[in-house]
Amino acid sequence: AQKITQTQPGMFVQEKEAVTLDCTYDTSDPSYGLFWYKQPSSGEMIFLIYQGSYDQQNATEGRYSLNFQKARKSANLVISASQLGDSAMYFCAMRVEMGSQGNLIFGKGTKLSVKP
Amino acid sequence: GAVVSQHPSWVICKSGTSVKIECRSLDFQATTMFWYRQFPKQSLMLMATSNEGSKATYEQGVEKDKFLINHASLTLSTLTVTSAHPEDSSFYICSARDPGRDRAFFGPGTRLTVL
Repeated sequence: AQKITQTQPGMFVQEKEAVTLDCTYDTSDPSYGLFWYKQPSSGEMIFLIYQGSYDQQNATEGRYSLNFQKARKSANLVISASQLGDSAMYFCAMRVEMGSQGNLIFGKGTKLSVKP
Repeated sequence: GAVVSQHPSWVICKSGTSVKIECRSLDFQATTMFWYRQFPKQSLMLMATSNEGSKATYEQGVEKDKFLINHASLTLSTLTVTSAHPEDSSFYICSARDPGRDRAFFGPGTRLTVL
């Protein structure tokens, strides 16, 4: 069964510090993609970063980087130099290619609070 | 700018009425769109996959007669909540897959409150 696990319901980080949000996944499909989304209180889902299962290097997008450890089936999000505007819910998601039309499976999310 | 729009952004209706939510892809053609539901403080759960020109595929436990999906064109999918009840109150989010960019874009969501 495909599953995404986010074990941190809530996280606090001091402004300007780095923070790691954990995500582990489970799939038997060799081809998959991993995503991180930010959801502020407005509800919109903001795409942050993507990692393909065959990508050799960890994905980076500005202050966001994805620590992809395939053998451990983990895809942790690292946010560097946290800003107050980073306070939001963060969802890890997976897309498998076999037997699906490309929908995403989401974890339960982590609520990040950035302290001034 | 936004590449997927949703309308309305919020709606309040009386129990027993039907509500239609539109999802449009603005700058690409989406043969596949997805409808998710998110209850407060919970994650997004896939309700159904909408395919242009064919019937939607519903997830287990989602009533197809209650949540009618129509994907009549490559840029528009609609979700109609029929005979809405208070337990249908939720945040409904669509996403459209852009084959040219190989990822899906989310609409801003529709907050439905059924009184």
